[in-house]
Amino acid sequence: AQSVTQLDSHVSVSEGTPVLLRCNYSSSYSPSLFWYVQHPNKGLQLLLKYTSAATLVKGINGFEAEFKKSETSFHLTKPSAHMSDAAEYFCATGRNNNDMRFGAGTRLTVKP
Amino acid sequence: KAGVTQTPRYLIKTRGQQVTLSCSPISGHRSVSWYQQTPGQGLQFLFEYFSETQRNKGNFPGRFSGRQFSNSRSEMNVSTLELGDSALYLCASSLGGLAGGGSDTQYFGPGTRLTVL
Repeated sequence: AQSVTQLDSHVSVSEGTPVLLRCNYSSSYSPSLFWYVQHPNKGLQLLLKYTSAATLVKGINGFEAEFKKSETSFHLTKPSAHMSDAAEYFCATGRNNNDMRFGAGTRLTVKP
Repeated sequence: KAGVTQTPRYLIKTRGQQVTLSCSPISGHRSVSWYQQTPGQGLQFLFEYFSETQRNKGNFPGRFSGRQFSNSRSEMNVSTLELGDSALYLCASSLGGLAGGGSDTQYFGPGTRLTVL
């Protein structure tokens, strides 16, 4: 069965510095991987999706993620954090709709 | 194109009552999935409906049920509410034509926050 593990429950960065949110996956086949963001009292918004077309995936709001099979990782990065990036981020994997498994989430704090 | 809508946004119920939540998917989407989000358990898959049929189900008791209508709108029902059912219930829709292979992108609604007293 596939699963994801988010390695940090909380990440704090200063505005204008890089963001790195870490996610490792476990899957017996080539997975589909997702990053979602959730702002307070909101639903989840899709940031980006990997489906084996390209290992470096560019998403919305300047975020990108790189699929590394050798490290079973799918870390989310952004070169320069903005105050509006403060939110909860979820890594997820799924092969079919029913197999959507989410990580525990990483809360990103951005300091001015 | 309008996004996924969920009603109501907030609900307060007491133990033993039942509740019905509604979800309207993005136009053209035929799959609707439901998730429960709690601080302790995170995001957990409840079930998925496609073309009015429950296609897959997570590991929840029978008190949790759902249905889908011909226009793809979906409802979920929780009977005999327990304190532990307090959560944010999220609905997600997708095109849904990839059962058995591939992975469909799910788009989420804002959720219904259920509080059980």
